[in-house]
Amino acid sequence: QKEVEQNSGPLSVPEGAIASLNCTYSDRGSQSFFWYRQYSGKSPELIMFIYSNGDKEDGRFTAQLNKASQYVSLLIRDSQPSDSATYLCAVNRGNTPLVFGKGTRLSVIA
Amino acid sequence: KAGVTQTPRYLIKTRGQQVTLSCSPISGHRSVSWYQQTPGQGLQFLFEYFSETQRNKGNFPGRFSGRQFSNSRSEMNVSTLELGDSALYLCASSFGLGDTEAFFGQGTRLTVV
Repeated sequence: QKEVEQNSGPLSVPEGAIASLNCTYSDRGSQSFFWYRQYSGKSPELIMFIYSNGDKEDGRFTAQLNKASQYVSLLIRDSQPSDSATYLCAVNRGNTPLVFGKGTRLSVIA
Repeated sequence: KAGVTQTPRYLIKTRGQQVTLSCSPISGHRSVSWYQQTPGQGLQFLFEYFSETQRNKGNFPGRFSGRQFSNSRSEMNVSTLELGDSALYLCASSFGLGDTEAFFGQGTRLTVV
């Protein structure tokens, strides 16, 4: 069973701090890794994707991938109350459907 | 450019009935995937269509079916509804199979009573 595991949270961080969200996956054949953000009552929206080991930065967001340890993380710098949402990790093998974790709820406290 | 459009947004059905949900992808996108989202199970893959052909199917019973039309619009059907089918059904559109970016519609909230 291919699985993606995330801590459900809530993860509470103060405004301006770094939020660190983690995800582990079981399928060693996974090739692509995605982070989606979902606000309450809304649909998921893609924040970042990463394919290679290491870090990928986009504005306040950094995705980190370690295929040997089968984990992917998302760092949010200078967290804002507007970042409060559920963050979904998803993986696939390329031309295969996305497998999602159940998400981590992030709460940024002003 | 218009986003992914799902209709209807909300539905209330009775056990045993059937329901059809519709998804219009972003113009030019040929791949449509369907997901069921519930608080307990999260986002679960139902099926994926590309060029009118079902390319992948998730672990759902045969009561769940779908199709894609030549204009890439897709429908999913659930027959003999059960209470456990109550969920948010999301459609995702992408240019091709396994494409980097999948854009989600706003979803159809189905409640079975």
